[in-house]
Amino acid sequence: QVHLVESGGGVVQPGGSLRLSCAASGFTFSSYGMHWVRQAPGKGLEWVTVVAYDGRDKKYTDSVKGRFTISRDNSKNTVYLQMNSLRAEDTAVYYCAKDLVTVGAQYHFDYWGQGTLVTVSS
Amino acid sequence: EIVLTQSPATLSLSPGERATLSCRASQRISSYLAWYQQKPGQAPRLLIYDASNRATGIPARFSGSGSGTDFTLTISSLESEDFAVYYCQQRSSWPSITFGQGTRLEIK
Repeated sequence: QVHLVESGGGVVQPGGSLRLSCAASGFTFSSYGMHWVRQAPGKGLEWVTVVAYDGRDKKYTDSVKGRFTISRDNSKNTVYLQMNSLRAEDTAVYYCAKDLVTVGAQYHFDYWGQGTLVTVSS
Repeated sequence: EIVLTQSPATLSLSPGERATLSCRASQRISSYLAWYQQKPGQAPRLLIYDASNRATGIPARFSGSGSGTDFTLTISSLESEDFAVYYCQQRSSWPSITFGQGTRLEIK
């Protein structure tokens, strides 16, 4: 079955950097777009970014443009989120999520990881 | 940005009752709406996509309807495991994806 396992979260000071990873298994990773969605403590869900199945196309929500970079390594079945210039408002659980359809991104998410907590605090 | 407004914020019902959750979009989004269930400490789970299609493995008591701006998630007969927070999500304005603020379904 499908498994998504995030790692790399932790506590970082404002202005710092973190790199999240999401290891995937149980499906043909190279055929699906992959997303990151975050959830601030006690709050709702916010879509962050997507990378196309082949890594060529990437989209970001406005609040992270220029600071976050998504990438993937299809040989390792892993998607990454490089987060720079972190702010307090980036504090959240970060989930990686698989797109529902193959090749083209449909922006509905049928499998999610368990999440990794990022805390930005001095 | 398309705003999704969910109502009610909290719904108190008993097992066996019917639950009706609403999601209203600030502009027309065709049928590009999904519903997710989230339990405390867990990741969200996809229930319904494109307004009315049940995701793989989702019980038939969950159904979705609507198009345009008004959408409904119905749970025909509540089971104990259905008490959770429910979110709607639109993909009409991709990549500007938005979620509703959530409806908490609690045991009465």
